[in-house]
Amino acid sequence: DAKTTQPPSMDCAEGRAANLPCNHSTISGNEYVYWYRQIHSQGPQYIIHGLKNNETNEMASLIITEDRKSSTLILPHATLRDTAVYYCIVRVETSYDKVIFGPGTSLSVIP
Amino acid sequence: SAVISQKPSRDICQRGTSLTIQCQVDSQVTMMFWYRQQPGQSLTLIATANQGSEATYESGFVIDKFPISRPNLTFSTLTVSNMSPEDSSIYLCSVGDPFYNEQFFGPGTRLTVL
Repeated sequence: DAKTTQPPSMDCAEGRAANLPCNHSTISGNEYVYWYRQIHSQGPQYIIHGLKNNETNEMASLIITEDRKSSTLILPHATLRDTAVYYCIVRVETSYDKVIFGPGTSLSVIP
Repeated sequence: SAVISQKPSRDICQRGTSLTIQCQVDSQVTMMFWYRQQPGQSLTLIATANQGSEATYESGFVIDKFPISRPNLTFSTLTVSNMSPEDSSIYLCSVGDPFYNEQFFGPGTRLTVL
């Protein structure tokens, strides 16, 4: 899997958009950008993934740059329950391969 | 999405003993994975468990320390053998869901070794 770089921590005011960046300059053409999060004392939770087009679901939006070397996960209206560690991972789109986690970004949503 | 349960949810064990952690999935899955999360750290993959074959271990993890069973497509166990305080971690199982092309994770087993 290609390596990703994320800031170790971020703060966001409750109700505001949280924008979490990720750099993946060595991403291969067939690798997708995946985002997971881990709320304290729980297992990781899948959020969203994409190849090159922007993606949106009920949880978040994923913006991938045209050169695919970086991406941003957007939580449009952050709540206190969004406080978690967010992991950006690049991998082939398959359920049959392992997920390699980096250190992630610890997001704190502030009241 | 797959629903995954783990037993026990937490345990406190004495050094030198062994603990077997169970992972149960509500649907048949091909791939199951076991991870360790040491205090304050990210997740580290221990091994990949396919039904009907030997588990594949990552660098730094060996079968004698972490034997894994995968008797069918909905169940797996991980044993932490001859435990020491350094084994105190959260152990998580996950499964690959081909419909969603991603992985789902269990709630984890919090192990403390005294």
